[in-house]
Amino acid sequence: AQSVAQPEDQVNVAEGNPLTVKCTYSVSGNPYLFWYVQYPNRGLQFLLKYITGDNLVKGSYGFEAEFNKSQTSFHLKKPSALVSDSALYFCAVRDIGTYKYIFGTGTRLKVLA
Amino acid sequence: GAVVSQHPSWVICKSGTSVKIECRSLDFQATTMFWYRQFPKQSLMLMATSNEGSKATYEQGVEKDKFLINHASLTLSTLTVTSAHPEDSSFYICGGLRELYGYTFGSGTRLTVV
Repeated sequence: AQSVAQPEDQVNVAEGNPLTVKCTYSVSGNPYLFWYVQYPNRGLQFLLKYITGDNLVKGSYGFEAEFNKSQTSFHLKKPSALVSDSALYFCAVRDIGTYKYIFGTGTRLKVLA
Repeated sequence: GAVVSQHPSWVICKSGTSVKIECRSLDFQATTMFWYRQFPKQSLMLMATSNEGSKATYEQGVEKDKFLINHASLTLSTLTVTSAHPEDSSFYICGGLRELYGYTFGSGTRLTVV
């Protein structure tokens, strides 16, 4: 079965510092991987996805993610964090056969001024 | 870009009543709509998958008679929580599937049953 894991419940980073939110996956076959962000009482906003191609994927709001097949990881990164980046981040994998998305447990990012 | 409009954004209802949540895809046709439920500080749990013009497919453990899903058109899917109880209080999110693009999510509905 497809799954994703987000090992950190919360990540704290100082404003201006680089941030990393971790995600590892387990799939059979080639993975379709996604990152979403959720602000309080709001739906999910798409950040980026990896389907195929370059391992470094650039997305919205200056975020990027690196697909690493050998480590089965898809970590979300940003070179310089903003206070406004504080939110809940979800990694997801798409089930190839059904289009269902399986979400990780989420990581709360807190950027400190 | 593609937008899924979800209404209401929040609702408070009394135990025993029913609540309907609507999701409309505004500028694309969502042949498939996914309904998720999110508990506080937890991830999103897929409840059901609805396809336009056919019965919804429910995930294991989800009561289909309690959570009625209708996908009457390519732009509208509804979730009705019937005979709501306090334990149904949660955050519900729909996601419309755009072929080749993936999901576009609604803004969510906070349901509180008192």
